[in-house]
Amino acid sequence: EAGVTQFPSHSVIEKGQTVTLRCDPISGHDNLYWYRRVMGKEIKFLLHFVKESKQDESGMPNNRFLAERTGGTYSTLKVQPAELEDSGVYFCASRTELPNTEAFFGQGTRLTVV
Amino acid sequence: AQSVTQLGSHVSVSEGALVLLRCNYSSSVPPYLFWYVQYPNQGLQLLLKYTTGATLVKGINGFEAEFKKSETSFHLTKPSAHMSDAAEYFCAVTLASNNDMRFGAGTRLTVKP
Repeated sequence: EAGVTQFPSHSVIEKGQTVTLRCDPISGHDNLYWYRRVMGKEIKFLLHFVKESKQDESGMPNNRFLAERTGGTYSTLKVQPAELEDSGVYFCASRTELPNTEAFFGQGTRLTVV
Repeated sequence: AQSVTQLGSHVSVSEGALVLLRCNYSSSVPPYLFWYVQYPNQGLQLLLKYTTGATLVKGINGFEAEFKKSETSFHLTKPSAHMSDAAEYFCAVTLASNNDMRFGAGTRLTVKP
């Protein structure tokens, strides 16, 4: 069974440009989470999808960030326009509908805004 | 809302010594608690979890953790550290009510020969 996959693994963009990150969860996992980690600090929650609906997007920094999960399968996270402080590693995780089960993580996308 | 606090961003122990990584949580309802580990250049993987039942849970690689409701803690321990335990460890809490998942800041464990 394929795990959680994220694309791209690395991205370097200039300030003001747009970047779209993609996450393919494990098939059948209703719950999909996005997190960001900056410079070895905490794994900060961004948002949580249940199927195609946003369960909680309280962690989204501002309206430059837009997440979608059309059809309840893969998800995209778009940053437009990117700022220097958006740099970090963006993690995606997925889990079944059961909250007492393991969440599976992708390898992350390292975003560098220069 | 739930939150997690990990005391000590860096812990260093000698090989063979006891490992103790601290995790405290806050939650308005009984949480599910997890420890994840990230080895260098790898993704996060589950070490162990507490959901219900026995409060002392055992995980992979000889690690265990004890859920103490009165102390709102879920500290991770291993009796004897091995060089291969060097990694970053994250405590996480999930609420049964909404499946939200939050992480602590992580603790980087260094094992000295």
